[in-house]
Amino acid sequence: GESVGLHLPTLSVQEGDNSIINCAYSNSASDYFIWYKQESGKGPQFIIDIRSNMDKRQGQRVTVLLNKTVKHLSLQIAATQPGDSAVYFCAEPPGGTSYGKLTFGQGTILTVHP
Amino acid sequence: DAMVIQNPRYQVTQFGKPVTLSCSQTLNHNVMYWYQQKSSQAPKLLFHYYDKDFNNEADTPDNFQSRRPNTSFCFLDIRSPGLGDAAMYLCATSRAGTGVGAQYFGPGTRLLVL
Repeated sequence: GESVGLHLPTLSVQEGDNSIINCAYSNSASDYFIWYKQESGKGPQFIIDIRSNMDKRQGQRVTVLLNKTVKHLSLQIAATQPGDSAVYFCAEPPGGTSYGKLTFGQGTILTVHP
Repeated sequence: DAMVIQNPRYQVTQFGKPVTLSCSQTLNHNVMYWYQQKSSQAPKLLFHYYDKDFNNEADTPDNFQSRRPNTSFCFLDIRSPGLGDAAMYLCATSRAGTGVGAQYFGPGTRLLVL
């Protein structure tokens, strides 16, 4: 079936480095993606989203890039801090912007060393 | 701040003893969801409500039920918890119909079955 998946399950970086977390998707009709951060013992926290009519979207210290040609998106975190340590999921709502079941990637564990 | 609230944060129950988890939201979103998340896995949708319309996922066991008495509240009832039901239960909300599909999660309730 259609799925959203991740290339790298773990990422370890030094404080201050930039982090890049990757996600692949299989549905070429997908038009909306969300990145979530989930800290240990907490619920997923919305970080940033992007629609398919955009290649790039920036937030505070985060940038999401979307490459529709290869069906790939990435989350870039600038100047990574220990508080960024968490599991990061990409997710896709059904039909792009309608409600319903989110399809999650498997998650990437980001560990930031002081 | 508008938010999704879950109570309790931790719930211990006995094998076979019914348990109810609660969720409330101040976002005034028309869709509410219940997800189950087990260790090192992505959240798995159990069911959702669009307003009062209940939508069950095909693979959600009959042991799981839900109620949404009003816009703000939603409950998850586990009629006869088994050991395999120990997990984090996440409530989420979204606004359908405005073109924005992001789901916002509560902090979760961790269920332990003895």
